[in-house]
Amino acid sequence: KAGVTQTPRYLIKTRGQQVTLSCSPISGHRSVSWYQQTPGQGLQFLFEYFSETQRNKGNFPGRFSGRQFSNSRSEMNVSTLELGDSALYLCASKWRQGGYEAFFGQGTRLTVV
Amino acid sequence: GESVGLHLPTLSVQEGDNSIINCAYSNSASDYFIWYKQESGKGPQFIIDIRSNMDKRQGQRVTVLLNKTVKHLSLQIAATQPGDSAVYFCAENPLYGGATNKLIFGTGTLLAVQP
Repeated sequence: KAGVTQTPRYLIKTRGQQVTLSCSPISGHRSVSWYQQTPGQGLQFLFEYFSETQRNKGNFPGRFSGRQFSNSRSEMNVSTLELGDSALYLCASKWRQGGYEAFFGQGTRLTVV
Repeated sequence: GESVGLHLPTLSVQEGDNSIINCAYSNSASDYFIWYKQESGKGPQFIIDIRSNMDKRQGQRVTVLLNKTVKHLSLQIAATQPGDSAVYFCAENPLYGGATNKLIFGTGTLLAVQP
């Protein structure tokens, strides 16, 4: 069974630009969550989606948004990029909500210059 | 954010020794806990999980202990190998009036295995 696939793996953007990151969950998984990982703040929850609906959102500004499609694939978007948005963005998929094992992708390394 | 990101504590052990990594969690209502291993350049990899109705769970070479009284988790790795060198994170799945997949991560511990 293929794992969680995130594209692209690496991205360099300029301040003020916007970026879209993609996540394909494990086949059959309907829940997708996004996390931001930085050396200073560690792993922080961004948002989660289940059946195309956002179920929970972390403490991030409105520049961070996401969506989930009917095939459970998810995208997250960051508009008006700032230098502090440089991070590893991780996607995790689960079969369903609740206390079950979450599988992470390799992440997308975003660098804002 | 809810995750505290300070400098990473390091645990240095000799190959073959047992390792114990500790974690304090924040929410007494959390009902599910997970340990993840993250190697450089990779996403977190699931190691073992435990529900709040248990105090111990064993896997292959790993054991997780849960002490709800003091909100403490530990991960024990038996016969530590060089391939175990990585950053280890504990994570909790808090209850927020319903099911959620949100995970709150600890700061992480760098495990360095000396050959």
